Amino acid sequence: AQSVSQHNHHVILSEAASLELGCNYSYGGTVNLFWYVQYPGQHLQLLLKYFSGDPLVKGIKGFEAEFIKSKFSFNLRKPSVQWSDTAEYFCAVSPGGYNKLIFGAGTRLAVHP
Amino acid sequence: GAVVSQHPSWVICKSGTSVKIECRSLDFQATTMFWYRQFPKQSLMLMATSNEGSKATYEQGVEKDKFLINHASLTLSTLTVTSAHPEDSSFYICSAVGLDNTGELFFGEGSRLTVL
Repeated sequence: AQSVSQHNHHVILSEAASLELGCNYSYGGTVNLFWYVQYPGQHLQLLLKYFSGDPLVKGIKGFEAEFIKSKFSFNLRKPSVQWSDTAEYFCAVSPGGYNKLIFGAGTRLAVHP
Repeated sequence: GAVVSQHPSWVICKSGTSVKIECRSLDFQATTMFWYRQFPKQSLMLMATSNEGSKATYEQGVEKDKFLINHASLTLSTLTVTSAHPEDSSFYICSAVGLDNTGELFFGEGSRLTVL
């Protein structure tokens, strides 16, 4: 069955620390890849997406992600986190490039000042 | 960006009653809407795909008679939880893809259902 795995369920960082959240998926064909963020009390927002082309994707708020096809991974990174990055982050995959999304379990990030 | 709105944002009902949740695309037309369910501290689980003018496609394990979905127009999809029970209590989220189909989904703010 198709699945998305996020390795870290809960991450705690201090401001200015670097962030990397892991995401692996199981699907052998073409995929579209996404990272969504959910700030406390708010709805899901798209951080970045990968459809094709350059595997290093830059998103909003200084986030980036790298698609490594051989590893079935799409890890999210940010060089220096801020307190305002405290949120839950979801990796999602649309197998076959269709719109139906399969979500990972989410990673709850807490950034301390 | 495109806006998707859900109503109500939260609802409390008695066991055995039915509850309708609306999902509207406010500034774009959505041919396809998706309904997700999110349990506390868990990820979003896709329940069904709603296509305008046709029957919804339900994911395996989701009871279509329990969760009625109607997508009567390009801007509105509704989810009705019929004969609700406490185990139906959850956070229900809809998302929509626009006619231009850029591949990006726009999410509503979610509706929290509590069944007493």
